[in-house]
Amino acid sequence: GAVVSQHPSRVICKSGTSVKIECRSLDFQATTMFWYRQFPKKSLMLMATSNEGSKATYEQGVEKDKFLINHASLTLSTLTVTSAHPEDSSFYICSARDARRNEQFFGPGTRLTVL
Amino acid sequence: EDKVVQSPLSLVVHEGDTVTLNCSYEVTNFRSLLWYKQEKKAPTFLFMLTSSGIEKKSGRLSSILDKKELSSILNITATQTGDSAIYLCAAMYSGGGADGLTFGKGTHLIIQP
Repeated sequence: GAVVSQHPSRVICKSGTSVKIECRSLDFQATTMFWYRQFPKKSLMLMATSNEGSKATYEQGVEKDKFLINHASLTLSTLTVTSAHPEDSSFYICSARDARRNEQFFGPGTRLTVL
Repeated sequence: EDKVVQSPLSLVVHEGDTVTLNCSYEVTNFRSLLWYKQEKKAPTFLFMLTSSGIEKKSGRLSSILDKKELSSILNITATQTGDSAIYLCAAMYSGGGADGLTFGKGTHLIIQP
């Protein structure tokens, strides 16, 4: 079955540093990838939608200069949290859409802790 | 390899019917099972189940976890067209200094008027 991976699975960094999270579709081409943030009460917030080869579409209230998204290939999208602050600590999840099968698959998530 | 399997993949029923959606999981260091309803944007959180045999209810929706059978069901009674969505279950795990979610593929529920 289709698999979406995220790397790293967990990262701890100091305030002010930048962190890059990768999302890969392992056995299908993902023209669209989504980035979510999970809040303490388990709700998921869509941050942005990225389409391969074009700029990401950010949801209202999400700072595009802080959360840089690059979807450079059909199997890889990256989310870079720039100048991270403790309030950015969260669980970030990506999902990838397999256009051929019209299905969406979720990655396992990345736990970011900013000290 | 961790996996979460949902069944059926797709379900079409009439308004007013009761539906039961199934989720089974094989996850190392399992912690909890989560149910989400996905319509347009982000999946909407429905339930988190950690203890076996304790039913959680929210209006017409209810869910229960069976840790012995490694499964969970989501029931929707008196279905309405607004219940049409993809219902996702996800197994939360932790271990080795990391935690994560393994999602199932979802059940596509269509409620016909």
